[in-house]
Amino acid sequence: TQLLEQSPQFLSIQEGENLTVYCNSSSVFSSLQWYRQEPGEGPVLLVTVVTGGEVKKLKRLTFQFGDARKDSSLHITAAQPGDTGLYLCAGATTDSWGKLQFGAGTQVVVTP
Amino acid sequence: EAGVAQSPRYKIIEKRQSVAFWCNPISGHATLYWYQQILGQGPKLLIQFQNNGVVDDSQLPKDRFSAERLKGVDSTLKIQPAKLEDSAVYLCASSLGLPPYNEQFFGPGTRLTVL
Repeated sequence: TQLLEQSPQFLSIQEGENLTVYCNSSSVFSSLQWYRQEPGEGPVLLVTVVTGGEVKKLKRLTFQFGDARKDSSLHITAAQPGDTGLYLCAGATTDSWGKLQFGAGTQVVVTP
Repeated sequence: EAGVAQSPRYKIIEKRQSVAFWCNPISGHATLYWYQQILGQGPKLLIQFQNNGVVDDSQLPKDRFSAERLKGVDSTLKIQPAKLEDSAVYLCASSLGLPPYNEQFFGPGTRLTVL
């Protein structure tokens, strides 16, 4: 059972468009991470958010952690084909010894 | 610095056979994780080691899966006997184990197909 629900499951857009993917849970997390996974590779960390309401920006990517620390979003501005991949959110609880619960992921395809 | 190494990259076996996967984590990383990722799903933690001790193996099917981390470095994950539903990518990850910024570094995974 996935504690983290990600939506949409699949997103196909044209280069230059914007997109937002969501990660929701009924659980409170002490931290939440976003990873990107490309075919044949393991996930690679993009960002960690720990404070409710926190917003982090990495170039064209904007990450937000909900005030109640139960949800998060990832917004990509002016998407490029290199942004194609599986975007995974993962949450850690305070008593989890660093254990992460992963969502099922959002598959993003950006076409030229 | 070298990343997490895994071998083999691909393995095809028949049901009821045995298989073993190997992982070499990033040097100095005390925490090592094994995940199972079924197609269309996110990674599911099977077992977590802190040095050579098990921290969490609550989701490891212990009747057929086993894992060890001798000397707190390399680790092996074994399945015996394999079932069709074990077809998945098995990912190994390591971290310094410092929450909350507990970045996990993943290897490329081993894709297992059980026929």
